[in-house]
Amino acid sequence: QVQLVESGGGVVQPGRSLRLSCVASGFTFSTYAVHWVRQAPGKGLEWVAVISYDGGIKYYADSVKGRFTISRDNSKNTLYLQMNSLRAEDTAVYHCAKNRDRSTWLLDYWGQGTLVTVSS
Amino acid sequence: QLVLTQSPSASASLGASVKLTCTLSSGHSSYAIAWHQQQPEKGPRYLMKLNSDGSHNKGDGIPDRFSGSSSGAERYLTISSLQSEDEADYYCQTWGTGILVFGGGTKLTVL
Repeated sequence: QVQLVESGGGVVQPGRSLRLSCVASGFTFSTYAVHWVRQAPGKGLEWVAVISYDGGIKYYADSVKGRFTISRDNSKNTLYLQMNSLRAEDTAVYHCAKNRDRSTWLLDYWGQGTLVTVSS
Repeated sequence: QLVLTQSPSASASLGASVKLTCTLSSGHSSYAIAWHQQQPEKGPRYLMKLNSDGSHNKGDGIPDRFSGSSSGAERYLTISSLQSEDEADYYCQTWGTGILVFGGGTKLTVL
C-alpha cells in the first residue's frame, strides 16, 4: 500500500535552517509529482510547494518563496524540503502528499506529518 | 483569483445525512476539486475527486456513504448514515497554474 513517511521536524530558533524528508513506498515514486502541505496549530491546510516527477519543475507558495527549496531523489524514493530563514509563522505540521495523476494537482495520499516548531 | 469557500462548521445527528458545500470563486466554476477528511490528530485522507458535472471517483476504501455532486460553482460532499468516526474536518482542494488551493475547512460535529 502507498505510504509517505515524513521526518526531520523539531524545535529550531528563528533564522535557522531545517531539512525535512519524506520517504515514499507502495507506488512508482519517480512518476508522480509530490507536494509539501503544512498546517499551523489549530489552523487549516496550507500548500507549500510542489515538484514535478523528474524534479524539473518546482512551484512555491508566496509565503515561502526564496526561503524554502523542494527537491527529490528518485533513486531513494525520497522528497525533501530545505527550510532556511525560519520564522515563528512557519511553525506547523508539515505533510508530504502525492498527486493523484499527471493531469491534475489533486492529492490522493498523505503522510502523517512532522512537526516543526520555530521558537527562541 | 482562485478561492474555495467553505462554511466553518456543520452538525448533524448520528445516523442522519449531511451535505457540505465548497464554492469556487467567480470564473472557476468548471474546476474539478478533491475532498479530504482529517480526523482529530490524524493526517488528511483523500475521499474523492469531484468533477463539474457531478461525476466523482472515490479513493481506496472510501465507504459508499460518501458521495459527491456539483451544481454550477458549488461542489458538495454528502455523508449518509453518519457515524461517530465521521466527526472530522473536511477540506476541498483544487489547483490553478502554479498553485494549489485549499478551502478553509468545515468542522463536522456528529451529535
